[in-house]
Amino acid sequence: DTAVSQTPKYLVTQMGNDKSIKCEQNLGHDTMYWYKQDSKKFLKIMFSYNNKELIINETVPNRFSPKSPDKAHLNLHINSLELGDSAVYFCASSQDWGISYEQYFGPGTRLTVT
Amino acid sequence: GDSVTQMEGPVTLSEEAFLTINCTYTATGYPSLFWYVQYPGEGLQLLLKATKADDKGSNKGFEATYRKETTSFHLEKGSVQVSDSAVYFCALRDGNQFYFGTGTSLTVIP
Repeated sequence: DTAVSQTPKYLVTQMGNDKSIKCEQNLGHDTMYWYKQDSKKFLKIMFSYNNKELIINETVPNRFSPKSPDKAHLNLHINSLELGDSAVYFCASSQDWGISYEQYFGPGTRLTVT
Repeated sequence: GDSVTQMEGPVTLSEEAFLTINCTYTATGYPSLFWYVQYPGEGLQLLLKATKADDKGSNKGFEATYRKETTSFHLEKGSVQVSDSAVYFCALRDGNQFYFGTGTSLTVIP
């Protein structure tokens, strides 16, 4: 019974393509996040939604667009993919926005742009 | 701005050895501090947390104490097992700011 799931697990695509990664959580959490982990395992937050409202929109190219159709889902769409977008993307959720709440991470989506 | 500095790895220990992974932070507010663990091919899992100064987080034999005076949150375990082999991340949440350390890879050999 997966708490935070992501699809696909692996994504290989060519430069210039548009792709989406889907995330779903069945924990009843109000807050969801997208992170990018580079090849050195450095983890950087990209976006956060609380109750479907965009709270964090870090300095990422506007080719990246999150969409939250409901509280249980946060999808990431990437336009015009570039080589530098290759990374592992993690979705996460937390019960609420408060700073004491821990995050629950999905298994990650390994994106390779060729 | 806020930041997290974590001991660089990789760290290799023999089974039953004592583990310390250092983590220090800078913050403008009163952050919550976390340790996450990442096993190969998986997402991060919360290991423990502390939300105010002098709090001690503990789980599965791991401990860390939130030290405001030294701005530290070092992870310790008295006797590591092979199953503890993973990458460990120190993390900070301060208001709308989220920071993770660069991760410390631990390998425990039998």
